[in-house]
Amino acid sequence: DIQMTQSPSSLSASVGDRVTITCRASQGISNYLAWFQQRPGQAPKSLIHTASSLRSGVPSRFSGSGSGTDFTLTISSLQPEDFATYYCHQYTSHPHTFGQGTKLEMK
Amino acid sequence: QVQLQESGPGLVKPSETLSLTCTVSGASMSSYYWSWMRQPPGKGLEWIGYISYSGNTIYNPSLMSRVTISINTSKSQFSLSLTSVTAADTAVYFCTRDTSLQYWGQGTLVTVSS
Repeated sequence: DIQMTQSPSSLSASVGDRVTITCRASQGISNYLAWFQQRPGQAPKSLIHTASSLRSGVPSRFSGSGSGTDFTLTISSLQPEDFATYYCHQYTSHPHTFGQGTKLEMK
Repeated sequence: QVQLQESGPGLVKPSETLSLTCTVSGASMSSYYWSWMRQPPGKGLEWIGYISYSGNTIYNPSLMSRVTISINTSKSQFSLSLTSVTAADTAVYFCTRDTSLQYWGQGTLVTVSS
């Protein structure tokens, strides 16, 4: 199985901050990497697919980059609604796997 | 817009079979993969497997001996069956579309308990 390792596991930040979350794959996955946001009690919401393609309706302050084994999710200016848990997900090798999550908390 | 809705029992006894159905609206099931995920309370996400619109399946090896995913395109539904459940199978179960998981159902909590 491909292991997906996110860092940090948790992060404290303030509204307006620029935040970066990283995701490292144990093997190369090309650009078959997606990012999700999950608020408490809700289903995950797809933000980005193919490493850097923003889903329709997702604010442009979210961006993704990377290829191969190293990927990043950046939020350029945190908004109150962005405090949530974020997951990366590789979907090229079976079984598809998720990172352990990064909890973004308000400082 | 595309909507997915899980349905099924919220309580299953140990050793019995968990059965869930996902009803799809707002889109044809053709040309897509349809997946199941789960999330134990307070924990991360686990990929269970997926089925193509033509019925081809891929499962997580950790569950392969117990899981079956089926599809009924005429009813716009696909289903999950998980046999011989234990407390470790207690989780919120989500149905999703695409291998990149563009659309998700709201999730349904299934508790395994006697």
